Amino acid sequence: SYELTQPPSVSVSPGQTASVTCSGDKLGNKYACWYQQKPGQSPVLVIYQNTKRPSGIPERFSGSNSGNTATLTISGTQAMDEADYYCQAWDSNTAWVLFGGGTNLTVL
Amino acid sequence: QVQLQQSGPGLVKPSETLSLTCTVSGGSLSSYYWTWIRQPPGKELECIGYIYYTGTANYNPSLKSRVTISPDTSKNQFSLKLNSVTAADTAVYYCARLSPVAGWFFDHWGQGTLVTVSS
Repeated sequence: SYELTQPPSVSVSPGQTASVTCSGDKLGNKYACWYQQKPGQSPVLVIYQNTKRPSGIPERFSGSNSGNTATLTISGTQAMDEADYYCQAWDSNTAWVLFGGGTNLTVL
Repeated sequence: QVQLQQSGPGLVKPSETLSLTCTVSGGSLSSYYWTWIRQPPGKELECIGYIYYTGTANYNPSLKSRVTISPDTSKNQFSLKLNSVTAADTAVYYCARLSPVAGWFFDHWGQGTLVTVSS
């Protein structure tokens, strides 16, 4: 079965650039999206179709997807960006949702 | 603005049926897919299943024998029933709208319901 793999944790200093990766076989051939989840809250879509930001999501959030890896990049990371981040893709063969295991982003 | 409001009990006894409802406001069930997702405490997201507004459904193979998701277009709601629950079904349950444009992503989420399975 197809799997999406994320690092369990990433740390970044305030104001620096954070990169969260999501790996899967030929993931670049699929569309990837990203969700931000803060403690006790529902996930929020921050990137869809690899690179697009929904209305209301700050410009410091960006995405890319090529080869076997999709990447969420947060430029000028702020304390409010501390959260869990989940990647998600669609398996067109099975018409099923694929979630990564999540990455805890710490801003310190 | 589309909003999803969840309702249902937060405590279910083992072997009984978990039932949750998601009411959609600011939009119609039509032309979208509607999903239930769960997250055990401290763990990752797991898709339980999704339906089209016509009732066509697709379920997680690991839960398929115990799950029913169904729409009620007259009330602009959809519901989740998970039977024969055990402690392993304790989780926060979310409803969400699955947008069928290129990439298939969840663009609106409910507030989440913590369901504890305990006697």
